[in-house]
Amino acid sequence: SYVLTQPPSVSVAPGQTARITCGGNNIGGKSVHWYQQRPGQAPVLVVYDDTDRPSGIPERFSGSNSGNTATLTISRVEAGDEADYSCQVWDTSSDRGVFGGGTKLTVL
Amino acid sequence: QVQLQESGPGLVKPSETLSLTCSVSGYSISSGYYWGWIRQPPGKGLEWIGSMHHSGSTYYNPSLKSRVTISVDTSKDQFSLKLSSVSAADTAVYYCARDKRVVIPSTMLWTSRFDPWGQGTLVIVSS
Repeated sequence: SYVLTQPPSVSVAPGQTARITCGGNNIGGKSVHWYQQRPGQAPVLVVYDDTDRPSGIPERFSGSNSGNTATLTISRVEAGDEADYSCQVWDTSSDRGVFGGGTKLTVL
Repeated sequence: QVQLQESGPGLVKPSETLSLTCSVSGYSISSGYYWGWIRQPPGKGLEWIGSMHHSGSTYYNPSLKSRVTISVDTSKDQFSLKLSSVSAADTAVYYCARDKRVVIPSTMLWTSRFDPWGQGTLVIVSS
């Protein structure tokens, strides 16, 4: 089955740029979606189809996807960005949704 | 604005069937989209359970397929999850979400994304 690998944690100072990776076999050939989950809350879609943002999501959130790695980039990080971030794809070979294990973003 | 809300028992005994309902407001289920269930064990990552279209088309996680049934009641704008023969490993926060399935033009392959989500409901499996 298809596996997505994320680092357990990423730390960044306020105002800096955070990059959260999502690794998978030829993930560049898939459409990657990213979710933000603040403590005790439900996930919120922040990037879809590799690079698109839903309405209401700040431009500070952006995505890229190539080869075996997709990346969520958060520019000018704020304290309110502290959350867990999970990547997700649809695995067409097994017809199922697949999530990464999640990355906890800590704002120092 | 589309909103989803899960409801159901918060405690289920081992070997019994977990039953949850998701009520949708601000959108008619029969108008389109798939509707899905995702769960998150305490302190762990998200796991997709399955999704269903109002037409009856369903997709289940192969690892849960033998125990899962998702159904839709368009008259009430609700969809439901049943998970049979539960064990402690099924203890989790269960979320419902709208599942947007589209074809990626560049690859002609399907993709699904989940938006929005319900607030989630914790189900504990214990005697």
